[in-house]
Amino acid sequence: GDSVTQMEGPVTLSEEAFLTINCTYTATGYPSLFWYVQYPGEGLQLLLKATKADDKGSNKGFEATYRKETTSFHLEKGSVQVSDSAVYFCALGTGTASKLTFGTGTRLQVTL
Amino acid sequence: DAMVIQNPRYQVTQFGKPVTLSCSQTLNHNVMYWYQQKSSQAPKLLFHYYDKDFNNEADTPDNFQSRRPNTSFCFLDIRSPGLGDAAMYLCATSRAGGRGPTDTQYFGPGTRLTVL
Repeated sequence: GDSVTQMEGPVTLSEEAFLTINCTYTATGYPSLFWYVQYPGEGLQLLLKATKADDKGSNKGFEATYRKETTSFHLEKGSVQVSDSAVYFCALGTGTASKLTFGTGTRLQVTL
Repeated sequence: DAMVIQNPRYQVTQFGKPVTLSCSQTLNHNVMYWYQQKSSQAPKLLFHYYDKDFNNEADTPDNFQSRRPNTSFCFLDIRSPGLGDAAMYLCATSRAGGRGPTDTQYFGPGTRLTVL
């Protein structure tokens, strides 16, 4: 079945550091890939997405490229801020009902 | 703004006392989902409605039921809450069913359920 593997957290970075959160997937067919962010006590917000190989999703300085050859969708940001502290979920979506398979989530803590 | 709304944000119930959580959407999406999220875990899909068709996940306990009286509203009923049902419950919607790529799911803010 479909699955998503994310790097385990927590990840602790200083403000302005470079961020990478690794995400790899296993899927049949051609899934869409998503990164969602969850701030404390809130629901999930879409951060970015990519729907086919070599697509790059980007938003708020975050980027991720859909790599079919390595089945990966790593999240990157060049300079993190304290306000980026949250839990990040990688997910793949398939099927006519757009069901999502989530990774376990990676907690990011950014300090001054 | 179009959005997904969940009420209440916080719900306290007693062990075994039925509880209903509600979700509404102004996005006019045809698919609505209910997830359970326990602390420090990924959301777990309980079931979804594709239009009026109910789709239960294989491992969703019978204690959890859902109703969708119209396109805009969806309810999660927990018939006899146990202590293990304390969690955040997330509602999401999407405009699914086309031949294109998987559409985005849009999430509500969640309802945190406490079982005493």
